[in-house]
Amino acid sequence: SYVLTQPPSVSVAPGKTARITCGGNNIGSKSVHWYQQKPGQAPVLVIYYDSDRPSGIPERFSGSNSGNTATLTISRVEAGDEADYYCQVWDSSSDPSYVFGTGTKVTVL
Amino acid sequence: EVQLVESGGGLVQPGGSLRLSCAASGFTFSSYWMHWVRQAPGKGLVWVSRINSDGSSTSYADSVKGRFTISRDNAKNTLYLQMNSLRAEDTAVYYCASAVAGTHEFQHWGQGTLVTVSS
Repeated sequence: SYVLTQPPSVSVAPGKTARITCGGNNIGSKSVHWYQQKPGQAPVLVIYYDSDRPSGIPERFSGSNSGNTATLTISRVEAGDEADYYCQVWDSSSDPSYVFGTGTKVTVL
Repeated sequence: EVQLVESGGGLVQPGGSLRLSCAASGFTFSSYWMHWVRQAPGKGLVWVSRINSDGSSTSYADSVKGRFTISRDNAKNTLYLQMNSLRAEDTAVYYCASAVAGTHEFQHWGQGTLVTVSS
């Protein structure tokens, strides 16, 4: 099965930039989606198709994808951005075909 | 406003069965693919199952294949997950999620329902 690897944690000061990586074999050839999950809440889609933002998601959230790494970038980090973040891809040749990353806990210092 | 509301979770003994429901509103349910995703306590997200818009096509994670059945009733705007032969490792919060037909991102999520498998 296809594996997506994320760092367990990222710490960032308010107003700074957080970068969360998602590593996978030739992930640049796939579409990557990102979800934010706050404690006790359901996940929320924050980036889809590598870099598109759903309506209502601040422009501070952006994404990129190339080679073996996809990246979610949160600019001008706020206390409310503290959450778990998961990347996700669909890989038709994998089982399961919908794969989530291991998740990254973002802590705002 | 899109709403997905799960129900049917609870405590069940190993080997038992449970049926989860997900009531949808605020969008054209019959045009969307629907998924179940689960999250064991303190763990990450794991995809469980998917059904297409008219219910003619389904897929499952290997871990639940042959034990779980996904279905939908478009007249009632409701998604289901029949879970049989439950195991301790099935203990998790189960979320339903919607996806635009033919796409592979989970657009909207319900609040989840907790399933606990224990004697």
